[in-house]
Amino acid sequence: SQQGEEDPQALSIQEGENATMNCSYKTSINNLQWYRQNSGRGLVHLILIRSNEREKHSGRLRVTLDTSKKSSSLLITASRAADTASYFCVTIRRGSTLGRLYFGRGTQLTVWP
Amino acid sequence: EAQVTQNPRYLITVTGKKLTVTCSQNMNHEYMSWYRQDPGLGLRQIYYSMNVEVTDKGDVPEGYKVSRKEKRNFPLILESPSPNQTSLYFCASSLERGGDSSYEQYFGPGTRLTVT
Repeated sequence: SQQGEEDPQALSIQEGENATMNCSYKTSINNLQWYRQNSGRGLVHLILIRSNEREKHSGRLRVTLDTSKKSSSLLITASRAADTASYFCVTIRRGSTLGRLYFGRGTQLTVWP
Repeated sequence: EAQVTQNPRYLITVTGKKLTVTCSQNMNHEYMSWYRQDPGLGLRQIYYSMNVEVTDKGDVPEGYKVSRKEKRNFPLILESPSPNQTSLYFCASSLERGGDSSYEQYFGPGTRLTVT
């Protein structure tokens, strides 16, 4: 069963604008990760945030985690056409069998030049 | 170059004809996993392996088998494929960090399977 649910399902913006995607999940987690997938290709790991962290940065990416609301957000600043892709949040539930990973359905981001 | 490879990349087959999709990684990763991706459903975990000779079911294991006889290889076997197994399949691996459990995964390029 899906654990994370991304919102919105699709997002369309102009180059230079910021893109924000949200992820909600149902149970307590060990960590939450964000991945990017260019059309039909393998996923690429972007960033990981642990359950005891609230915010993390990596280049133009900013991830926040609110465990009380069971939600995370991914912010891409100054977006580029090359950021066009699907973005997935992935969780590892706390206390679950190690190795079980749960993917959301993804947000499709389109950045127009 | 560190990578996960899958073969074949594309496969069209008929119902009931056994097939194997291979997956190999050259990063000495303990953890490997198989996923299928279907429109509107995201990625769902089929099987995963924490190490050699250790495999466990994911969300959708029915109709699939795996084996982990060597650390670098994790083949996915469909003994009797059916049309509902038409999908895009991904293999992934990660350096399992024990109690750290970060599971940052490296994905293969995908195998597009069509079962008619």
